[in-house]
Amino acid sequence: SQQGEEDPQALSIQEGENATMNCSYKTSINNLQWYRQNSGRGLVHLILIRSNEREKHSGRLRVTLDTSKKSSSLLITASRAADTASYFCAAHAGGTSYGKLTFGQGTILTVHP
Amino acid sequence: SAVISQKPSRDICQRGTSLTIQCQVDSQVTMMFWYRQQPGQSLTLIATANQGSEATYESGFVIDKFPISRPNLTFSTLTVSNMSPEDSSIYLCSVGSGEKLFFGSGTQLSVL
Repeated sequence: SQQGEEDPQALSIQEGENATMNCSYKTSINNLQWYRQNSGRGLVHLILIRSNEREKHSGRLRVTLDTSKKSSSLLITASRAADTASYFCAAHAGGTSYGKLTFGQGTILTVHP
Repeated sequence: SAVISQKPSRDICQRGTSLTIQCQVDSQVTMMFWYRQQPGQSLTLIATANQGSEATYESGFVIDKFPISRPNLTFSTLTVSNMSPEDSSIYLCSVGSGEKLFFGSGTQLSVL
């Protein structure tokens, strides 16, 4: 079954605004990660939050995790045109190899200058 | 972090042919992972390549279609065999560092 369902599918904002993306998953997880992909190429790891954590920050990124609702959100504050990319959540389910991540469908973020 | 070189970056192939994708890592790693990203879709794990043993394939993927080699701790290849247009995707190799994955830049494959 598909883990990591994301919404919105696409988000268009102005530079300086905040962008929030949401992700839901279906089974228990060890951690949930967020990745960024530019122009359909390789993914870049952004941030990881473990199942026993509720919130984490890294620079302009803030991620939350609600294991009771099986959901996570990624907030990008003060967005820049360079943040334009696709963003994917990826769940690492309990009992699986660390390399086996189940990715969401992604959110396409467009930041207009 | 790891630096991963993947080639070719893109290719256009004819139906029925095969393409081998190479992945080189700048450090020794135990496991390498091959993912597929179909057009407009998310990533799906194809298989885990372990050095010195057979690759482990995920449900829906078979060795005859996606043979994998792992001759040493820094290199792996994925072959897409007997291609059809449905194989048109981006193929990505990745390695882990701690709990994170690092990805190559991907191979964009189009099958005519």
